[in-house]
Amino acid sequence: DGGITQSPKYLFRKEGQNVTLSCEQNLNHDAMYWYRQDPGQGLRLIYYSQIVNDFQKGDIAEGYSVSREKKESFPLTVTSAQKNPTAFYLCASSTPRGDYATYNEQFFGPGTRLTVL
Amino acid sequence: AQSVTQPDIHITVSEGASLELRCNYSYGATPYLFWYVQSPGQGLQLLLKYFSGDTLVQGIKGFEAEFKRSQSSFNLRKPSVHWSDAAEYFCAVVPLRNMNTGFQKLVFGTGTRLLVSP
Repeated sequence: DGGITQSPKYLFRKEGQNVTLSCEQNLNHDAMYWYRQDPGQGLRLIYYSQIVNDFQKGDIAEGYSVSREKKESFPLTVTSAQKNPTAFYLCASSTPRGDYATYNEQFFGPGTRLTVL
Repeated sequence: AQSVTQPDIHITVSEGASLELRCNYSYGATPYLFWYVQSPGQGLQLLLKYFSGDTLVQGIKGFEAEFKRSQSSFNLRKPSVHWSDAAEYFCAVVPLRNMNTGFQKLVFGTGTRLLVSP
C-alpha cells in the first residue's frame, strides 16, 4: 500500500542533542513538507521541498534543518538551537501543482512525538 | 491580519445528535477551503474541500460543509454523530494569492476537539 511512514513514533532527547526524524513516502510525490503541531496552535510549516535537492524555509524554520537527497525521503533534524522542540511533528507529501488553478492534496504521515527531557 | 479562526476549542455532542463546527477566514478573496480530521496521535485526513461552484460540499464519513461568502465561513456539519467521530478537526485554507506562486501553502486553524458522549 502506498503511503507515508514516519519513524520513530515516540522520540526522547536530552537537551543539547540533535535528533533526526525520518519521513519516507512511496506515493511517487515530488513535494514534501514538515509541520509542527502544538496544543491549541494548529499546524505550522517548518520546511518544504518541491523537488529533489531543493527545499525552502517555512514559517518556523529556526532551529531545524532538512535534506532532500532522494525523492522518497525528507528527514528533519531538530538541532540544539531549537529552543522549545517538544511537539508533535507531521510529514506530508503531494504531487506538484499543474496549472495555477489546481490544488493537489497533501497526504499526511502518522507523526512523531518528540519530547525533550 | 489574514487568518483562519475556529472559535470552539472543545465541543461535546451526544451520540446520534447533529454537529456543526465553525470556521471563519479573513482573506480578501475567497481562498480554497478544507476540513481535516485527526484521530489521537495520528496524522491528518482530508474530509472535504471547496474550490468553487456549489456551496454545499459533501465529504467522506457523512460530513458536509457549507461555504457562505457573506459570512466568510465554511462550517462543517454532520446530521448524526457516531462515537468514532471523536477526534480533532482542523479547518484550513490556501489563500488565492498563493495560487500564482509555485507553492500552495496550507494555513490551518487552531482546531476543535470533538467529544462524543453516550
